[in-house]
Amino acid sequence: AQSVSQHNHHVILSEAASLELGCNYSYGGTVNLFWYVQYPGQHLQLLLKYFSGDPLVKGIKGFEAEFIKSKFSFNLRKPSVQWSDTAEYFCAVIPYSSASKIIFGSGTRLSIRP
Amino acid sequence: EAQVTQNPRYLITVTGKKLTVTCSQNMNHEYMSWYRQDPGLGLRQIYYSMNVEVTDKGDVPEGYKVSRKEKRNFPLILESPSPNQTSLYFCASSLVSSGGIYNEQFFGPGTRLTVL
Repeated sequence: AQSVSQHNHHVILSEAASLELGCNYSYGGTVNLFWYVQYPGQHLQLLLKYFSGDPLVKGIKGFEAEFIKSKFSFNLRKPSVQWSDTAEYFCAVIPYSSASKIIFGSGTRLSIRP
Repeated sequence: EAQVTQNPRYLITVTGKKLTVTCSQNMNHEYMSWYRQDPGLGLRQIYYSMNVEVTDKGDVPEGYKVSRKEKRNFPLILESPSPNQTSLYFCASSLVSSGGIYNEQFFGPGTRLTVL
């Protein structure tokens, strides 16, 4: 079955530390990839997306992600986190072969110590 | 303002008392979907709809019903709620390109449901 794995369930960092959140998916065909962020008490918002082209995509608030097709990965990065980045982060995949649903990872909770 | 709205935002009810959570979007999106979010499980899809009168089951449809009579509305119905349906529910919508949904989903603010 198609799945999306986020192996880090809870990450705790200090302000100004660098961030990398892992995302791997199990599908061999063409996919569209997304990272969503959910700030405390709020709904999910799009952080960035990859459809095609340059595998390094930049999103809002200084976030970026790199698509590595050979590793089926789409890791999220930020060089220097801020306290306001405290949130839950979800990776999501839409496989072209079954483009009637989006498959979400289980999420990674990010806590930033001020 | 482009948005997805849900009502109510908070609901406490008792086992067996039928309830409906409404969802409406003003972006003329064909695709709409319901998710439940539980700690450690992320988002799980309940039902989705590719267009008016077209609905299909997601990963966890048991105990839920939906209808899509109008493009903008996609209500979630719990005919006989049980405590295991206590959760945070999100509605979302998306454009449909040729062949399917490939674009981002826009989410509503969520409905926190407690079933006693």
